[in-house]
Amino acid sequence: RKEVEQDPGPFNVPEGATVAFNCTYSNSASQSFFWYRQDCRKEPKLLMSVYSSGNEDGRFTAQLNRASQYISLLIRDSKLSDSATYLCAVNRPQGAQKLVFGQGTRLTINP
Amino acid sequence: DGGITQSPKYLFRKEGQNVTLSCEQNLNHDAMYWYRQDPGQGLRLIYYSQIVNDFQKGDIAEGYSVSREKKESFPLTVTSAQKNPTAFYLCASSINIAYEQYFGPGTRLTVT
Repeated sequence: RKEVEQDPGPFNVPEGATVAFNCTYSNSASQSFFWYRQDCRKEPKLLMSVYSSGNEDGRFTAQLNRASQYISLLIRDSKLSDSATYLCAVNRPQGAQKLVFGQGTRLTINP
Repeated sequence: DGGITQSPKYLFRKEGQNVTLSCEQNLNHDAMYWYRQDPGQGLRLIYYSQIVNDFQKGDIAEGYSVSREKKESFPLTVTSAQKNPTAFYLCASSINIAYEQYFGPGTRLTVT
């Protein structure tokens, strides 16, 4: 099983729709979780951290499910500008505890 | 402005030549990282450094070398031993090793 796994998509949804994707992680001891957004040919940019209690930033909601070992990202009222690849990152809890990134989920919002 | 800079944005080299990619940060972050991204692929960790004068191999360190002589700087050398060096190289930094990382704009290296 991969340390961090995402459905690569692509997800194609109409503008205004709600879309959600998950990211599963293999190590139950992981403590740090993040979502990044990467536009085509650009660097990843931090979208939001994921807290145990869940957190919301405008149209974006991130949640952590420790029992099933996944994090989720929900985008409500999607905009054309939300089209991007979404990467999750989870810390590796042994040794240096560095982050491990998922492969990314590609999202396209259609007009 | 605080941030991470990488130069150059595009780099072209002939096979057999070593090339050094620059990464500088003024965020006062202790940890710095180099990743490689190939088309349609995720990020693969090449090297990382938690503090000055210390660095560790990542998952794909063969054919690469780094140095960390200053907190602000973490240059990556792509050596001629790297069999497939053409890729998008991303530098990142974080306050500490398990914290959120911030990325530079990347360098696209093409080796022919």
